[in-house]
Amino acid sequence: DAGVIQSPRHEVTEMGQEVTLRCKPISGHDYLFWYRQTMMRGLELLIYFNNNVPIDDSGMPEDRFSAKMPNASFSTLKIQPSEPRDSAVYFCASRPGLSGQETQYFGPGTRLLVL
Amino acid sequence: EDQVTQSPEALRLQEGESSSLNCSYTVSGLRGLFWYRQDPGKGPEFLFTLYSAGEEKEKERLKATLTKKESFLHITAPKPEDSATYLCAVNYAGNNRKLIWGLGTSLAVNP
Repeated sequence: DAGVIQSPRHEVTEMGQEVTLRCKPISGHDYLFWYRQTMMRGLELLIYFNNNVPIDDSGMPEDRFSAKMPNASFSTLKIQPSEPRDSAVYFCASRPGLSGQETQYFGPGTRLLVL
Repeated sequence: EDQVTQSPEALRLQEGESSSLNCSYTVSGLRGLFWYRQDPGKGPEFLFTLYSAGEEKEKERLKATLTKKESFLHITAPKPEDSATYLCAVNYAGNNRKLIWGLGTSLAVNP
């Protein structure tokens, strides 16, 4: 298996622009998680999906952030409009749906810089 | 407040100098404690899951142990390639399958 795939790997944009991050989870995994990582706050969960349905979006910082999962093999995280404080590394992770299989597997991340 | 604390924040060792990293947690109903390794510019890579006090798991030079309040990641005779940030996370009852993450320990092993 190729593992979790994220694109783009790097994104540099200007304040006010729309940013779309993409994720392809491991095939057969029922859960998908979006995280943000910064030096100050570490890994923060933004939102997660179960069987393509958003379950908990309490970590989404504000209305500028939105996430979708139109099918089992694709998810997007969108920031509109972007701000400099959104600069961080964004990770996507997935895990199987079986009880007791709580281990999450991470993608390589998207490094976002908003100027 | 439910939280996970890792110590030390940073650790520098000489090659072959064994040591331990600590992860303490203040949650009730632990459902699993996870150790991950993260190399610069990469995503966290899964190492171990521990579920109950007294449990131990090993992988090469790494050994993870768990008590009711904390976990240790013991590194025996480390090599430079063990240099990375080690992250700890916990899953607990009532947290809706979300993990709480520590800030990590940055380990540097000098040759």
